[in-house]
Amino acid sequence: AQSVSQHNHHVILSEAASLELGCNYSYGGTVNLFWYVQYPGQHLQLLLKYFSGDPLVKGIKGFEAEFIKSKFSFNLRKPSVQWSDTAEYFCAVINYGGATNKLIFGTGTLLAVQP
Amino acid sequence: DAGITQSPRHKVTETGTPVTLRCHQTENHRYMYWYRQDPGHGLRLIHYSYGVKDTDKGEVSDGYSVSRSKTEDFLLTLESATSSQTSVYFCAISESTGRAINTDTQYFGPGTRLTVL
Repeated sequence: AQSVSQHNHHVILSEAASLELGCNYSYGGTVNLFWYVQYPGQHLQLLLKYFSGDPLVKGIKGFEAEFIKSKFSFNLRKPSVQWSDTAEYFCAVINYGGATNKLIFGTGTLLAVQP
Repeated sequence: DAGITQSPRHKVTETGTPVTLRCHQTENHRYMYWYRQDPGHGLRLIHYSYGVKDTDKGEVSDGYSVSRSKTEDFLLTLESATSSQTSVYFCAISESTGRAINTDTQYFGPGTRLTVL
């Protein structure tokens, strides 16, 4: 079945540490890729997206992600996290080669940044 | 933030009662979606709409119905609420789900926390 996998369910980091959250998908066709963030008690906000072009995408708040087609991956990175980055992060994919063009979410990664 | 509101924001109800959640947008986007968010499952699509009176099922549509009589409003109804429908419900909108670049991004509303006792 088509799926999106986020292997890190909980990540705890100290401030200034570097962050990398993994995201892998199982689709073989054309994909659009997204990372959303959900701060405690809030709705999902778009961090960044990849549709085409440069596989290294820069988003808001210093986040970036790299699309590696050969590895079916779209990992999220930030060189130095802050306490305010504590949130849940969701990877999501639209697959245009499948039966439907719906957005499929991973199960999320909960990031806790300790001051 | 996209102009999306959801009402109510919180609701507690009893098993067997009907519940309707409302999503309202001011962006005039064609597509609207209802998701539920549960721990360990991420967000799962319940139903979506691709225009007025045009709706289709998502992956977890059992026990839910939707209606869209105006572009700006998308209603989600639980005909007879069950405890398994306790969740946080998010509405989302997008301009399209075609191959048009930059129009397939979904923007989310603030959510409705529903508790079914």
